[in-house]
Amino acid sequence: AQSVTQLGSHVSVSEGALVLLRCNYSSSVPPYLFWYVQYPNQGLQLLLKYTSAATLVKGINGFEAEFKKSETSFHLTKPSAHMSDAAEYFCAVSNTGGFKTIFGAGTRLFVKA
Amino acid sequence: GAGVSQSPRYKVAKRGQDVALRCDPISGHVSLFWYQQALGQGPEFLTYFQNEAQLDKSGLPSDRFFAERPEGSVSTLKIQRTQQEDSAVYLCASSLGGSSSYEQYFGPGTRLTVT
Repeated sequence: AQSVTQLGSHVSVSEGALVLLRCNYSSSVPPYLFWYVQYPNQGLQLLLKYTSAATLVKGINGFEAEFKKSETSFHLTKPSAHMSDAAEYFCAVSNTGGFKTIFGAGTRLFVKA
Repeated sequence: GAGVSQSPRYKVAKRGQDVALRCDPISGHVSLFWYQQALGQGPEFLTYFQNEAQLDKSGLPSDRFFAERPEGSVSTLKIQRTQQEDSAVYLCASSLGGSSSYEQYFGPGTRLTVT
């Protein structure tokens, strides 16, 4: 069975500071990994995905994530936070060759001026 | 182009009523997913269609939940005899291919409140 753990339900950073959102996964087979962002009253939008190519994945809006198999982690980072980054972020995992996606509980990012 | 649309956006139902939630996926998308998102939680998988075939319904909470996609495009999630625990946001997503490597495009969701 697959699962995702997001450490920290809430993260607060100052504008311009580093953003680090943590995600650990469990999977018995090589996984696909995703980060989605959700703004209030909107659907989820894909930020980036790992599908067994490069371990450092770059996404939209300056975000990137690194797949570390030894640590079973896929943490999301952004060098400099912007006020518009305030949203809910979800890490997700699925099977290679499968279709079901399992989402974490989410981390709400607050950005202080 | 048009994204995934869902209707209604908000639905209030009295306990015991039946409800039907509609999803219009992106044209040409093979895969369609339904998720349930409780307050403060991530989306939880309910069911998956590839074209008109329902390949997985393992996430449906009970036999009161039923989903269909008869012509391989529009999908309807029906909940019979609604209960308070059914209150949640129901998200629909579609993707171009049949593998989970394809990006899922999400609709805005239908917020169901059962009173």
